[in-house]
Amino acid sequence: KQEVTQIPAALSVPEGENLVLNCSFTDSAIYNLQWFRQDPGKGLTSLLLIQSSQREQTSGRLNASLDKSSGRSTLYIAASQPGDSATYLCAVRGRRVSEKLVFGKGTKLTVNP
Amino acid sequence: NAGVMQNPRHLVRRRGQEARLRCSPMKGHSHVYWYRQLPEEGLKFMVYLQKENIIDESGMPKERFSAEFPKEGPSILRIQQVVRGDSAAYFCASSPGGQRELFFGEGSRLTVL
Repeated sequence: KQEVTQIPAALSVPEGENLVLNCSFTDSAIYNLQWFRQDPGKGLTSLLLIQSSQREQTSGRLNASLDKSSGRSTLYIAASQPGDSATYLCAVRGRRVSEKLVFGKGTKLTVNP
Repeated sequence: NAGVMQNPRHLVRRRGQEARLRCSPMKGHSHVYWYRQLPEEGLKFMVYLQKENIIDESGMPKERFSAEFPKEGPSILRIQQVVRGDSAAYFCASSPGGQRELFFGEGSRLTVL
């Protein structure tokens, strides 16, 4: 059974800092990994999708890496801004066509002005 | 192209009543997933449906909960005889299938008094 863990559970940083969020998963036989952002009381916004054959994906100030063999992914946020404050969720998908996304509990990020 | 539409966004029910949550997938998407998010918890998979078929309901409680995705109309998540522990945010996601990216709705927040 796939389990996804995100560390830290919460993170508070001053504006402008570069930061790394961590995600680990127990079963390395994944199809892809997705990072989401969730604002309080809102839905999920997909940030980056990494296929199992890829090592990283970049979008603007965000960079996500994937090391499938060790069961780890990181989300790197450069030059953080107060608007980045949100909960960041990591989710993995297994290889079977019917596989669902399995989520971690998220990292709650606060960027202080 | 409208996103995944969920309604109602907020629903209040008294214990013992029924709750019906609706999800209209994105245009062209025939696969729907339902997830539940308890306060301070990650998203937990409930059920995966294609048009007129339940593919995986391994995350659905055995009693009181049911889901459908008819040939015409939205997917419905139905909770009978609600209890306070059913209070949560219920998210729907859709995809075109084939392990392609999931897109999430804004969620329906159920409060049971």
